[in-house]
Amino acid sequence: LAKTTQPISMDSYEGQEVNITCSHNNIATNDYITWYQQFPSQGPRFIIQGYKTKVTNEVASLFIPADRKSSTLSLPRVSLSDTAVYYCLVGDYNQGGKLIFGQGTELSVKP
Amino acid sequence: DTGVSQDPRHKITKRGQNVTFRCDPISEHNRLYWYRQTLGQGPEFLTYFQNEAQLEKSRLLSDRFSAERPKGSFSTLEIQRTEQGDSAMYLCASSLVGGRETQYFGPGTRLLVL
Repeated sequence: LAKTTQPISMDSYEGQEVNITCSHNNIATNDYITWYQQFPSQGPRFIIQGYKTKVTNEVASLFIPADRKSSTLSLPRVSLSDTAVYYCLVGDYNQGGKLIFGQGTELSVKP
Repeated sequence: DTGVSQDPRHKITKRGQNVTFRCDPISEHNRLYWYRQTLGQGPEFLTYFQNEAQLEKSRLLSDRFSAERPKGSFSTLEIQRTEQGDSAMYLCASSLVGGRETQYFGPGTRLLVL
C-alpha cells in the first residue's frame, strides 16, 4: 500500500475554505484515495473517495491531479465542528482488506 | 451513528485480567475489522473477518489476543492477561463486499489497564 504524507496540523478560522494536501508518490494503478475524519473519542468517519480528477459530495471536494501523486481535500466554509483529525489513505479497497492510517492532519478551527 | 455498535464503551481493568469486547456490525455487512488506536496515532489494523472466516491477522495480534465471529454477525475481541501496553481505543468497522468498499466504524471501546 502506498505511503502517504500529510501535514501534522493546520489552523483555520470559521468560514474559511481549508485545503489539506496529501502526497502519495508511490500510488499504484488500482489504488483509490480515501479520506476519513475523526473526532476525539469517536471512530473515523468516511468523508470522500476518488480515483482521478475531482469528486464532490455534500461534505467536501477531492482534487486529484493527472499524475495522482498527490491529492487535496477541500472543506468549504469550515465551522468549529470541523475541528478533527483528517486521514488520507491510499489503497485498492475494491478488494477489501485493511486500511493503513498515517498520523493524519489535526485541523483546528477557531472562531 | 454509523450503525456499528461496540460494547462496552469504556473498560478499566487491572493488569493480568482478561477482557472481552463486542462489536455489532451493520446487519448486511459481511466484512468486519478490528483496529487499535493509541493516543496521537492513527488506527492500526489488528484482524478482519469475511463472514465467520478470519482472513488476516496483524503481527500486532499477539497470542494473548483472540477474535471470533461465530455466526458471521457480531464479533468479540478478547485480551488475556492484559498488560499496561494494551491500553488503547479498540475500534471495529464493517463493510459490504463488492464495489468500492467503505468501512464504517463504531464508536470504539476505550481500555485502560492499571
